[in-house]
Amino acid sequence: NAGVTQTPKFQVLKTGQSMTLQCAQDMNHNSMYWYRQDPGMGLRLIYYSASEGTTDKGEVPNGYNVSRLNKREFSLRLESAAPSQTSVYFCASSEGAGGPWNIQYFGAGTRLSVL
Amino acid sequence: EDQVTQSPEALRLQEGESSSLNCSYTVSGLRGLFWYRQDPGKGPEFLFTLYSAGEEKEKERLKATLTKKESFLHITAPKPEDSATYLCAAAPLGTYKYIFGTGTRLKVLA
Repeated sequence: NAGVTQTPKFQVLKTGQSMTLQCAQDMNHNSMYWYRQDPGMGLRLIYYSASEGTTDKGEVPNGYNVSRLNKREFSLRLESAAPSQTSVYFCASSEGAGGPWNIQYFGAGTRLSVL
Repeated sequence: EDQVTQSPEALRLQEGESSSLNCSYTVSGLRGLFWYRQDPGKGPEFLFTLYSAGEEKEKERLKATLTKKESFLHITAPKPEDSATYLCAAAPLGTYKYIFGTGTRLKVLA
């Protein structure tokens, strides 16, 4: 059971380039999330999808777009990368979006550098 | 404003030297307090969920406790393999959100 799978694991971009980070989960979870993790900042929510067909902004959505392709897959797109988007990106999923029993499970992360 | 603060930022222990990590939270109603372990280069791994004040959960050398304002992660007789960053997150009532702290980096020396 793979859990949450993220691709790629590492990426280097030049300023202004675009790319899509992919995330897939095999736990039949309804909700999926994208976070970024920066030193001294903790994990911050970029976007989330409570269920298939819905997406909503989190704490730091500027410069990003998302697509919930189906129940399994949730992608994050950087249209025009900026150095401030250098970070480690984590995808997570949970059975639902509310309630204390809805534990978020994380992927291994994508390490992105924007030069 | 919802906020989670973890202390200390970093902790070095000798093998077998027990200690506690602190997670202070301020949220508008708590639906859950979550502890995760994160190893270098990996994603957070779920450890515990606590729902109400007074609750305790245990797993091997780890025990998590919860009060109305804080959670503690007690590590008893730690081993070098317990070295990791420990994250806590508070989930406010009525929201999808987790509010993460910045973590405690634990190093256990043999």
